[in-house]
Amino acid sequence: EDQVTQSPEALRLQEGESSSLNCSYTVSGLRGLFWYRQDPGKGPEFLFTLYSAGEEKEKERLKATLTKKESFLHITAPKPEDSATYLCAVLTYSSASKIIFGSGTRLSIRP
Amino acid sequence: NAGVTQTPKFQVLKTGQSMTLQCAQDMNHNSMYWYRQDPGMGLRLIYYSASEGTTDKGEVPNGYNVSRLNKREFSLRLESAAPSQTSVYFCASSDRGQGELFFGEGSRLTVL
Repeated sequence: EDQVTQSPEALRLQEGESSSLNCSYTVSGLRGLFWYRQDPGKGPEFLFTLYSAGEEKEKERLKATLTKKESFLHITAPKPEDSATYLCAVLTYSSASKIIFGSGTRLSIRP
Repeated sequence: NAGVTQTPKFQVLKTGQSMTLQCAQDMNHNSMYWYRQDPGMGLRLIYYSASEGTTDKGEVPNGYNVSRLNKREFSLRLESAAPSQTSVYFCASSDRGQGELFFGEGSRLTVL
């Protein structure tokens, strides 16, 4: 069974304190791994797609990386406005169009 | 641009009542999805529709039915609501089932 596990559940950082969020996956043939950001009371918003091990994507203070077993979302010098829940999701070859999410990491950045 | 529109935004039901959550997208996307989100459990896939005319079960389909009415609309029906179905429901769409999903604002359902 395909599984996506995110850690930690919650992370509190000081403004400017860099860190990483983890998404580990066990799937039968990865087609793509995706990162989303979700603000309270809103629907998730797409950030990145990664397709193969070694691939990296960047957007402002965020950088996503992918290995054969996990993905990291690195946050460099975060600001309070980066506070949100970050979700990862996978799409596999065995289940066309079926996109499975992890439980998310709640990130809080203190000024 | 409207994107993905869900109705209603809030609903309170009594156990055993039925209701339908409506979802429409104006991006000409082929694939549509219904997820539920509960505290600490992330998004769980209920049903999805890879293309018009097809529907498939997700991770937690029990107690729900769906209808892909046309390319734009994908509805979720609770035939006999239970307190365990209290949740926030999100509809999403994507082009050809790729991972870039566009989400609605969510429908908060409480079953008493």
